[in-house]
Amino acid sequence: SYDLTQPPSVSVSPGQTARITCSGNGLPRQYAYWYQQKPGQAPVLLIYKDTERPSEIPGRFSGSSSGTTATLTISGVRPEDEADYYCQSADNNVVGREVFGGGTKLTVL
Amino acid sequence: QVQLVESGGGVVQPGGSLRLSCAASGFTFSHHGMHWVRQAPGKGLEWVAVISYDGGVQYYEDSLKGRFTIARDNSKNTVFLQMDSLRPDDTAIYYCARGQYVSSGYYLDFWGQGTLVTVSS
Repeated sequence: SYDLTQPPSVSVSPGQTARITCSGNGLPRQYAYWYQQKPGQAPVLLIYKDTERPSEIPGRFSGSSSGTTATLTISGVRPEDEADYYCQSADNNVVGREVFGGGTKLTVL
Repeated sequence: QVQLVESGGGVVQPGGSLRLSCAASGFTFSHHGMHWVRQAPGKGLEWVAVISYDGGVQYYEDSLKGRFTIARDNSKNTVFLQMDSLRPDDTAIYYCARGQYVSSGYYLDFWGQGTLVTVSS
């Protein structure tokens, strides 16, 4: 089955840049999307169509994609950015199926 | 503003059934595909199913086909998830989410707060 692979954890100090990757064989042909989930809360859309950001999302969140890897970049990380982050994409092999990555826990040291 | 409110969760015995509902407001419901996504305790997000804007097309996670059924009532702005033959590993928070269709897939731009389903004897 089609999988999206994320690192389980990433740690950064406040003010630094965090990069979270998402790897999948279908990403050259499918968009990647990113979500943030804080404990006890529903996920929130951060990035759509690889690089687009909803208007309510702060500019320190950005997305990029190259080949089989999509990347979420958080510049000037703040303590409140500590959360789980998930990528999502359409399954390149199965029509109609969506897939989430396993999630990355961002720790702000 | 967009609101999605899930209901219908609870405790059910293995082999039992449950029907989840998600009431939508603040947008034109009949213009959007709607999804269910679940999250087992301490685990990641798992996509469950999608139904097209008019209810004509449904897709499911392979492992759930035949046990779960997604449906919608556009006159009531509500999407449903019928869950049958429930197993302990179906225990999860179930979220409904609004889909935005892009080329061959969706992204989920608004999510409800979720409803907890516990399958246990």
